[in-house]
Amino acid sequence: DIVLTQSPDSLAVSLGERATINCKSSQTLLYSSNKKNYLAWYQQKPGQPPKLLMYWASIRESGVPDRFSGSGSGTDFTLTISSLQAEDVAFYHCHQYYNSPQTFGQGTRLEIK
Amino acid sequence: QVQLVQSGAEVKKPGASVKVSCATSGYTFATYGVTWVRQAPGQGLEWLGWISTYSDDTKYAQKLQDRVTLTIDASTSTAHMELRSLRSDDTAVYYCARGGEGAGLDYWGQGTLLTVSS
Repeated sequence: DIVLTQSPDSLAVSLGERATINCKSSQTLLYSSNKKNYLAWYQQKPGQPPKLLMYWASIRESGVPDRFSGSGSGTDFTLTISSLQAEDVAFYHCHQYYNSPQTFGQGTRLEIK
Repeated sequence: QVQLVQSGAEVKKPGASVKVSCATSGYTFATYGVTWVRQAPGQGLEWLGWISTYSDDTKYAQKLQDRVTLTIDASTSTAHMELRSLRSDDTAVYYCARGGEGAGLDYWGQGTLLTVSS
């Protein structure tokens, strides 16, 4: 199984500052035939289901604010929030859909400093 | 608009079975597969499996594959997840989500809380 390891487990950032969450995969998520990275990012607030933020590692889902961006390729990926807003307080999860069983990272809690 | 609406909370005793439903609307059911994910209290997300709505293909998490069955009813655009021989560590919120086979999960159900307790 592909193991996704997120870092850090918890992060506190001041309002307006940059937040960066990392996701490292035990195997490449880059499919050679189409050059796509099979990685997604989700935001989850308490009592709610996850919400898709990014797919193919760097494509923003419709309606997601442009302060959210995704980067990386192969085994190392990053979710960046360029200017943290109060409504961004949540858990963030990475997810690989490269093969089955699909797997998720352990999650990162993002708080306001 | 796309909606996935799940059945209500369940309380079961150890050894029992449960079937959770996921009624979809707002899109062509046969265009996207359905993925099931669970989240134990205070824990991360755990992938349970995926079912195609356009072929006979299903995929299961190995740790659950002898206890879980995913099915669909195309006539009602509904997906079902049955979990048997319930244990206390099956206590979790169970989610269905659209997509998953070569795709992110773009729409999610509201979640169904399953509590397994004697």
